[in-house]
Amino acid sequence: DADVTQTPRNRITKTGKRIMLECSQTKGHDRMYWYRQDPGLGLRLIYYSFDVKDINKGEISDGYSVSRQAQAKFSLSLESAIPNQTALYFCATGTRTEAFFGQGTRLTVV
Amino acid sequence: TQLLEQSPQFLSIQEGENLTVYCNSSSVFSSLQWYRQEPGEGPVLLVTVVTGGEVKKLKRLTFQFGDARKDSSLHITAAQPGDTGLYLCAGLPSSNYKLTFGKGTLLTVNP
Repeated sequence: DADVTQTPRNRITKTGKRIMLECSQTKGHDRMYWYRQDPGLGLRLIYYSFDVKDINKGEISDGYSVSRQAQAKFSLSLESAIPNQTALYFCATGTRTEAFFGQGTRLTVV
Repeated sequence: TQLLEQSPQFLSIQEGENLTVYCNSSSVFSSLQWYRQEPGEGPVLLVTVVTGGEVKKLKRLTFQFGDARKDSSLHITAAQPGDTGLYLCAGLPSSNYKLTFGKGTLLTVNP
């Protein structure tokens, strides 16, 4: 089993719909991250959490929200999806010196 | 403003050649990490450098952290087609705890 599991792997949704991307990890780390990856823009940080009670905005948090349900679970929500949120989304967990990524969720908003 | 600048953005070479990619910043980092990403997959950690001036080797890959902890380089000796991928540097700035990535270097090694 993968150390970091993201669901779904692929999703197509319509503009205005609410969608949740889920992430769970078995590494036992406190830190968890959500990134989006776009061609030519690299990985950009959406939100990060250092423990269950700690949630922090990254560089592109507008239009997104997160929930840290447990040490092992960190979900990302798009309250009202828009086409420019079409991207590859990655969840990660780790320590100060290493990060482990899930396989990504390819989200398309039409 | 990109906190971590990677160069070159694209690199296409022949099998057997050597190459170096760079990761530069004006900020000091407590550590820098290098990842390799293949299409459709998440980034995979290759190495972490922590100490200024540190050099780490991973088979044909040599990683160096600048003395001032603001930059790093990745050197590949005798590149092989299996080295093809997107190489990303990432780090934790000393001023905050946000794991920040560069835009990456897309390496293609032709047989």
